[in-house]
Amino acid sequence: GAVVSQHPSWVICKSGTSVKIECRSLDFQATTMFWYRQFPKQSLMLMATSNEGSKATYEQGVEKDKFLINHASLTLSTLTVTSAHPEDSSFYICSARAHGSPKYFGPGTRLTVT
Amino acid sequence: QKEVEQNSGPLSVPEGAIASLNCTYSDRGSQSFFWYRQYSGKSPELIMFIYSNGDKEDGRFTAQLNKASQYVSLLIRDSQPSDSATYLCAVNMEYGNKLVFGAGTILRVKS
Repeated sequence: GAVVSQHPSWVICKSGTSVKIECRSLDFQATTMFWYRQFPKQSLMLMATSNEGSKATYEQGVEKDKFLINHASLTLSTLTVTSAHPEDSSFYICSARAHGSPKYFGPGTRLTVT
Repeated sequence: QKEVEQNSGPLSVPEGAIASLNCTYSDRGSQSFFWYRQYSGKSPELIMFIYSNGDKEDGRFTAQLNKASQYVSLLIRDSQPSDSATYLCAVNMEYGNKLVFGAGTILRVKS
């Protein structure tokens, strides 16, 4: 299957700081990338959808000014959590798809805000 | 009504048995359906996807889709302890072309 990578795999940051998470499609060009968040013992919740070269579409309840998404190329999308707080601690997972293909997930980034 | 519903389980089956996982969805216009397996602390891993009514087999896994009943299932034959995980059903919603997940079913295969 297609390979999607994320970096970093885990990060600890202090409250009030910003954290950037990268998502890369390694062997295909991803026209669309998705960012999910998963809290313990809960399912994946879609945060936003981004298409290369255009603004991301955020799901209801997700603050676009807090979770900045950039999809600058067909192989890279970034999620920046700005002014992070402890309640932002979660498992952030990206997925990527080329047109018409199934969706593959990156390995996830575990964010802990202290 | 939730968009994608699954029984949370846990579903316990003995090793070698068939595990049957079920999922219903609300959007009649949905065209593609996915089953993922997720181990604790890990990202979901795609097992199968299905687009057409009927059965699709891949090794020990069979996905079944009934669009009229808005129902999709996953059968795991010859279940192994390594199959113990949370199984997530995901549906690509026609509106917004986005993947919506069920809450997942915990499967436990006992040796």
